[in-house]
Amino acid sequence: QVQLMQSGAEVRMPGASVSLSCKASGYSFTNNYIHWVRQAPGQGPEWMGLIIPIGGTTIYAQQFQGRLTITRLTSASTVYMQLNSLTSEDTAIYYCSRDAGYCSGSACYPAKNFDYWGQGTLITVSS
Amino acid sequence: QSALTQPPSASGSPGQSVTISCTGTSSDVGAYDYVSWYQHHPGKAPKLIIYEVNKRPSGVPDRFSGSILGNKAALTITGAQADDESDYHCVLYMGSGIWVFGGGTKLTVL
Repeated sequence: QVQLMQSGAEVRMPGASVSLSCKASGYSFTNNYIHWVRQAPGQGPEWMGLIIPIGGTTIYAQQFQGRLTITRLTSASTVYMQLNSLTSEDTAIYYCSRDAGYCSGSACYPAKNFDYWGQGTLITVSS
Repeated sequence: QSALTQPPSASGSPGQSVTISCTGTSSDVGAYDYVSWYQHHPGKAPKLIIYEVNKRPSGVPDRFSGSILGNKAALTITGAQADDESDYHCVLYMGSGIWVFGGGTKLTVL
């Protein structure tokens, strides 16, 4: 069965960086986009960005441009998310999720919705 | 891009129909068909229950339905059950790599 397994909770000081991982299993890793979404306490979710595993192309939400980097290691079926220059406002649960579409060869057909999600990773930014 | 507007809470009795709204503008909800809904029990992974406004993934009970009218999308649970008590989020894909979430609605079935 499809699973997205995320790395564990982290605590960081303001100004630091954090890197999370999301290991995919149960399907062909290069077939589907992977997104990162976060939800801060008491707020709605926020889309952060995505990676197209087949070629590594990334798209980032405007508010994260310049401090968010999403990468993948195809041999490990794993996607990484690094967020720099952390502030207390980055305290949130971070989720990876899979786009329900598919890629075939060099062509991709995203479904624009998320059919599987990781369990979430709590990032706490505090001095 | 502003978040979509959902009521913070909704409630209903078991067996009743409950509708959760997701309101945007003519530039977002009113312009795109890629509205999806997710059920999210705190501490668990969110679950896709509606995509492309009104389509249900395999395995999602048919008591869940989606609709759209003008700038407002809606999730209706016909015959709510205790297990449906959860947080519900709407999401809209607006093209050009932009996804917008609603603030979420906490559904109570009592």
